[in-house]
This record gives sequence, C-alpha cells and structure tokens, in this order.
Amino acid sequence: AQSVAQPEDQVNVAEGNPLTVKCTYSVSGNPYLFWYVQYPNRGLQFLLKYITGDNLVKGSYGFEAEFNKSQTSFHLKKPSALVSDSALYFCAVRDGKAGGSYIPTFGRGTSLIVHP
Amino acid sequence: SAVISQKPSRDICQRGTSLTIQCQVDSQVTMMFWYRQQPGQSLTLIATANQGSEATYESGFVIDKFPISRPNLTFSTLTVSNMSPEDSSIYLCSVEVLGASGYNEQFFGPGTRLTVL
Repeated sequence: AQSVAQPEDQVNVAEGNPLTVKCTYSVSGNPYLFWYVQYPNRGLQFLLKYITGDNLVKGSYGFEAEFNKSQTSFHLKKPSALVSDSALYFCAVRDGKAGGSYIPTFGRGTSLIVHP
Repeated sequence: SAVISQKPSRDICQRGTSLTIQCQVDSQVTMMFWYRQQPGQSLTLIATANQGSEATYESGFVIDKFPISRPNLTFSTLTVSNMSPEDSSIYLCSVEVLGASGYNEQFFGPGTRLTVL
C-alpha cells in the first residue's frame, strides 16, 4: 500500500521569507513523488517530480523539493515566498516497483498563505 | 505534456437531476481518470476509463451513480446521476502520458465545480 501525509493544513509565511511545505510518504518499492499546486477556482498544476537521480529537484515558479529516503520525506521549498504563491499544495506518491499501482495517492493538501 | 479542457467549468444543479461533464484532451491517450475533490478534502479517484472497455471503479463508487463514457482516445464523459448535496465537489479529469523524462506523468483538467442544492 502507498500513502502520503501532509502534516500541516495551513502554512503561513511572510513575503520574501523562505517557505517549506512538508510531505512524508510510504511505499513498498521506490517512490515516485510529485507536487501539484491548485490556485483558487483552478485545476491542479504540476510543479515538480522525483523519479530518480539528484535528491534536490527543481520545478516551476522557483520551487524545489528535496527527496530524503531515510526520513521518507519530500518537502517542498522556496527561498523567497511571493504573495502569488498563496494556493493549495498537494503532495502525491506512487509506487515505482514493477506491478505497483500506477495511480498516485494524494495528500490532503496544505494551504499556503503568504502575507505581504 | 497534455492540454485538457472540461465542460462545464461550473454548474449549480437541483437535487435529483443529473449532470454530464465532458473532458477533451489535445492528444490521444490510453488512460483517462476521473477524480472528485470534496470541499477541504484531497483528490479521490472515482474511476479509470480506457477506450473500448468498461471503466474501472474504485471502492465506494458505482457505475449507476457515475456512468462514464470513453468513445475515443481524446474524449470522455462523467455523469453524476440523481444528485444530492453530498455530490457537491470539484470533478477533475486527468490523463497519463509519457513525459520528456521517459516516465509517465499525470496532467489534470481545470475541473468542474458542481454545487447541488
């Protein structure tokens, strides 16, 4: 079975400060990890993914995420937050092992609020 | 990548009626997925729709309530039947395509925001 947890329902950060949105996962094989963003009244937009390779993954809009196998985490980060980053962020995981589910499991989402 | 459009973008419906949501993709895809996102909740997969075969429904979802059509490789519909206020959600269409990375990537439509009165 695969699962993902986003322990924070909401993250508040001041504009210009660094931000972190946390995600931990559980899979039986190698994880494929994803971050999506959902702006108000919009669908999900892909931000970045980790399949293999470098643990630090860079994505859209200046976001990056670090894969940490020992901590089974894939936290989303940005060095300097913008008010326009305010949105709902979803972490997702799928099992990369042969025969594993090809359908990702999504976390509950974390609402990021960036204050001016 | 894949560009996905959905119609309608939003609707307000009366209890007991049905609504059909359309999903159009700009390229041919084998697998299409329908998700539901209830207020304040994460995405829940309703069913997987492959062209030329019956949709596969996840636990808790049945064909009578959520009939799905997949007439070709670029189009699918999801019908929400005999609606109740509990069906008020965002319904999202999604496809999986081979990305530049060489791995399958998932793309989502803009969603259909349904409110049932």
